[in-house]
Amino acid sequence: DAKTTQPNSMESNEEEPVHLPCNHSTISGTDYIHWYRQLPSQGPEYVIHGLTSNVNNRMASLAIAEDRKSSTLILHRATLRDAAVYYCISNFGNEKLTFGTGTRLTIIP
Amino acid sequence: NAGVTQTPKFRILKIGQSMTLQCTQDMNHNYMYWYRQDPGMGLKLIYYSVGAGITDKGEVPNGYNVSRSTTEDFPLRLELAAPSQTSVYFCASSNSGGTLGELFFGEGSRLTVL
Repeated sequence: DAKTTQPNSMESNEEEPVHLPCNHSTISGTDYIHWYRQLPSQGPEYVIHGLTSNVNNRMASLAIAEDRKSSTLILHRATLRDAAVYYCISNFGNEKLTFGTGTRLTIIP
Repeated sequence: NAGVTQTPKFRILKIGQSMTLQCTQDMNHNYMYWYRQDPGMGLKLIYYSVGAGITDKGEVPNGYNVSRSTTEDFPLRLELAAPSQTSVYFCASSNSGGTLGELFFGEGSRLTVL
């Protein structure tokens, strides 16, 4: 079944790095890996996406395994504003992005 | 910067009533999507469109209809509302099908069917 797998929840201390894992063993060679996050009572917002190489932007870094069967979203220094549900998703060869239930990240002050 | 605009933000319907959720984007994006999110759950794709005049079903299309007569607008029609359609609905747009680019989401429309 084409889907991504993430832990239901994670906790992290404020101002420490956070590593959010994702497994996507059925991904094909041309499928991008996307990360979105959803703050409480808001729509999802884009975080980062990549294909093969590790990617960095102002929000986070994305580390993609060499075999592309897993990836890790890295928040370098978590703040309370980073508390959200994080979705790891892919298109699995078609035009649409299918969301799972994501990882609920709690930041401990 | 308007981005993706959804109306209404809140609506209560009685069983059997019909309504249209409006979605407009001002970014000239070809791709548009409708998702629903039930409490504590992830998003499920209802319908999507890759351009004006073209629509296709997602995971959960039953009970809904869409049209795409212009690039900007992608309304979602609920016919014969049922309690199972109580949910938060999100519209999104993208300039490259979401596979290569960023999805921009609206703020959501919260629908309750009683």
